[in-house]
Amino acid sequence: EPEVTQTPSHQVTQMGQEVILRCVPISNHLYFYWYRQILGQKVEFLVSFYNNEISEKSEIFDDQFSVERPDGSNFTLKIRSTKLEDSAMYFCATTGTPIEQYFGPGTRLTVT
Amino acid sequence: GENVEQHPSTLSVQEGDSAVIKCTYSDSASNYFPWYKQELGKRPQLIIDIRSNVGEKKDQRIAVTLNKTAKHFSLHITETQPEDSAVYFCAAKSTHGGYQKVTFGTGTKLQVIP
Repeated sequence: EPEVTQTPSHQVTQMGQEVILRCVPISNHLYFYWYRQILGQKVEFLVSFYNNEISEKSEIFDDQFSVERPDGSNFTLKIRSTKLEDSAMYFCATTGTPIEQYFGPGTRLTVT
Repeated sequence: GENVEQHPSTLSVQEGDSAVIKCTYSDSASNYFPWYKQELGKRPQLIIDIRSNVGEKKDQRIAVTLNKTAKHFSLHITETQPEDSAVYFCAAKSTHGGYQKVTFGTGTKLQVIP
């Protein structure tokens, strides 16, 4: 069964550094999402992406964040200048038809 | 924007009993309501979902009901087993043309006591 994959599984970075989180969607899926989950809290929507552009974004997704699909397969989330409060689990999810979302295993980001 | 509330935040039941988790949403444009189970350190796993044109859906021990008028939906787990212990999240998805947004509830930690 096809799966969404994410790399790295764990990323440790220093405050102020840039990080790029990568996701490989299921091949025929059309919608891509990034979510954040701070330890012990709910899953928070960051952004949805369709047809090579952002569809929706939350208030969390400020100018420090960007997404792109650089090569038609990978879907990336970039955080330009990380802050301590960016420490969380970041999940990528993709949707084809039907509309169920499939989540990747997540990347644990630790900002020190 | 959409606001999804979920209750209770924690739920303990004896093995074999039923568990019910309730969610409300605010955006009448929401048309898809998935439920996810998340075990510690793992990704959310879709366990059941319901679309806005359906009132109830069942899959073995799990059922979901939707009341569009009242804007609430519920997850029912019957004959609970220890392996049902996890955090459960409801979510509401709204679609406006090509735009999609998913809002999660705050989660319910279910503990099934053997």
